Amino acid sequence: NAGVMQNPRHLVRRRGQEARLRCSPMKGHSHVYWYRQLPEEGLKFMVYLQKENIIDESGMPKERFSAEFPKEGPSILRIQQVVRGDSAAYFCASSPQVGGNSPLHFGNGTRLTVT
Amino acid sequence: AQTVTQSQPEMSVQEAETVTLSCTYDTSESDYYLFWYKQPPSRQMILVIRQEAYKQQNATENRFSVNFQKAAKSFSLKISDSQLGDAAMYFCAYRSAISGGSNYKLTFGKGTLLTVNP
Repeated sequence: NAGVMQNPRHLVRRRGQEARLRCSPMKGHSHVYWYRQLPEEGLKFMVYLQKENIIDESGMPKERFSAEFPKEGPSILRIQQVVRGDSAAYFCASSPQVGGNSPLHFGNGTRLTVT
Repeated sequence: AQTVTQSQPEMSVQEAETVTLSCTYDTSESDYYLFWYKQPPSRQMILVIRQEAYKQQNATENRFSVNFQKAAKSFSLKISDSQLGDAAMYFCAYRSAISGGSNYKLTFGKGTLLTVNP
């Protein structure tokens, strides 16, 4: 059973470009979460999605950031017009259900570098 | 809002020795879960151990155990017989168990970098 798959592992973008990060949850998992890790910081919640629905995007900046989890295909975190402050590691996690004591399963993250 | 504090940015331990990593948290909730995650240089987030707040017994997973003090809101991780492979960043995390609330959201501390010396 493959784990949470994120790609690319590393992404370099110039200021003003778009960054698109992909996440395929574990098989059977319909709940997806995105977290951001700034240098020397813990992970911070960004958004929680179920298939075709955004449940909670309270941790995501209002501008330039968007997320989707379509019926078919991976979840996508999109950052438009990237700035240097967007440089971070972005982690995706998934779970088969919400809440309870089931842990989140994390991917290996995408490290975004904005030059 | 819940907060998680890890007061030790870095710790070191000799191979085969025991080390304890500290974590405190702040919450007004009575039902929640606590986790320790390990992040090696590969960047993968690996669940080490978890604790349900309603359980008084401290969780144990092989060489890893916790000291959960609910009244003090303390959740420390003890690693016994430390191995070179234990070297990593360790994160303490909190998740509410209240249904209908944000019981899907993990709140992380800033982490403790553990070095294991041969």
